Amino acid sequence: AQTVTQSQPEMSVQEAETVTLSCTYDTSESDYYLFWYKQPPSRQMILVIRQEAYKQQNATENRFSVNFQKAAKSFSLKISDSQLGDAAMYFCAYRGNFGNEKLTFGTGTRLTIIP
Amino acid sequence: DSGVTQTPKHLITATGQRVTLRCSPRSGDLSVYWYQQSLDQGLQFLIQYYNGEERAKGNILERFSAQQFPDLHSELNLSSLELGDSALYFCASSAGGGAADTQYFGPGTRLTVL
Repeated sequence: AQTVTQSQPEMSVQEAETVTLSCTYDTSESDYYLFWYKQPPSRQMILVIRQEAYKQQNATENRFSVNFQKAAKSFSLKISDSQLGDAAMYFCAYRGNFGNEKLTFGTGTRLTIIP
Repeated sequence: DSGVTQTPKHLITATGQRVTLRCSPRSGDLSVYWYQQSLDQGLQFLIQYYNGEERAKGNILERFSAQQFPDLHSELNLSSLELGDSALYFCASSAGGGAADTQYFGPGTRLTVL
């Protein structure tokens, strides 16, 4: 079974600064997908970014980027130019290949933005 | 707006009762997933349906059941409710046609068991 670990229950960052959220995972699969979801106070789960394990290039979506280290089984999220609207719980999630499509989530990191 | 709808948004009921949560996937999506988010268990996968058939099962209690109908909407039935069943229940959908699919989440149904 796969496991996802987020070791930072809470993080804070000054507005306009950069913050990195950590995630590690454990799997015996070679092909899989990794995601970061954001859950603001509204409790809606919003996809932030995804990474395919077979791609060496790190995914980027505007101010959000990942540092994917497959050998180390590490998948961190970097948020640049932090904004007040980035305040939320961030969940790292793992999804296996065909036939193992459920998402396995970490415990989340609560990000606070300091004005 | 993800395109996934869930009803009701809130549900308050008593122990021992039965409730039904409803989910309509995004247009064209064939897979529906149910997740439970509780304070002590975090986000957990319950069950997946693909085009009307059960595809995968997670930590779903025997008191819980689900189905996906021909129009692809899905219902999660929770019976003999206990206090510990209070949680936020999410439905997610994906195209379901391949391993590369992304799951998009509905707004959730908050269940409170008194």
